[in-house]
Amino acid sequence: QVQLQESGPGLVMPSETLSLTCTVSGGSVSSGSYYWSWIRQPPGKGLEWIGSIHYRGRTIYNPSLQSRVTILIDTSKSQFSLQLSSVTTTDTAVYYCARDVSQVGLDFWGQGTLVTVSS
Amino acid sequence: SSELTQDPAVSVALGQTVRIRCQGDSLRTYYGSWYQQKPGQAPLLVVFGENNRPSGIPDRFSGSNSGDTSFLTITGSQAEDEADYYCHSRDSRGDRLFGEGTRLTVL
Repeated sequence: QVQLQESGPGLVMPSETLSLTCTVSGGSVSSGSYYWSWIRQPPGKGLEWIGSIHYRGRTIYNPSLQSRVTILIDTSKSQFSLQLSSVTTTDTAVYYCARDVSQVGLDFWGQGTLVTVSS
Repeated sequence: SSELTQDPAVSVALGQTVRIRCQGDSLRTYYGSWYQQKPGQAPLLVVFGENNRPSGIPDRFSGSNSGDTSFLTITGSQAEDEADYYCHSRDSRGDRLFGEGTRLTVL
């Protein structure tokens, strides 16, 4: 059973960079069938796709966040990461990582981690 | 347009059938998937593709598609089906899309 676990600071100062890591266990990140994704959900609101990465490094980003987002993958550690720069209070959200399977969707999710942007 | 539109809220009587819809141009080309989210929990994939369920999802959940619209049907709704439901797909560029979500109330 594939498991994903987000980790990182729960509080980030405005204008700084939010950094999160997703650790994948029970399966390999190095499969051509998968993208590895970040999704967020502001309190009381809906889901927003942030971006995805293939193990070979190809990335796709939400156009509305593209200028601030970097997603990287470390296959040796079975991890992928999110960096979101110049954060504001509107970036406060629960951040999820998930596995994206072609023709299926997001079949495994992490439990999510709340990141609050506040001074 | 690269958007998915859902009704904000739907209600259903216990044991009855409810259909939740998701509309968007991308659904003419790409299948959507559906996620159930209960308070404080991560979303859970319930239906994907033409009409497929992951292992462990009850068969009262089903999917269908017509033109630019994808439907999630719950046949014989249970109290535990009360949740938010999101549709998800992609566009021609490869960008992933979420609908705004539908809050299902089981009466």
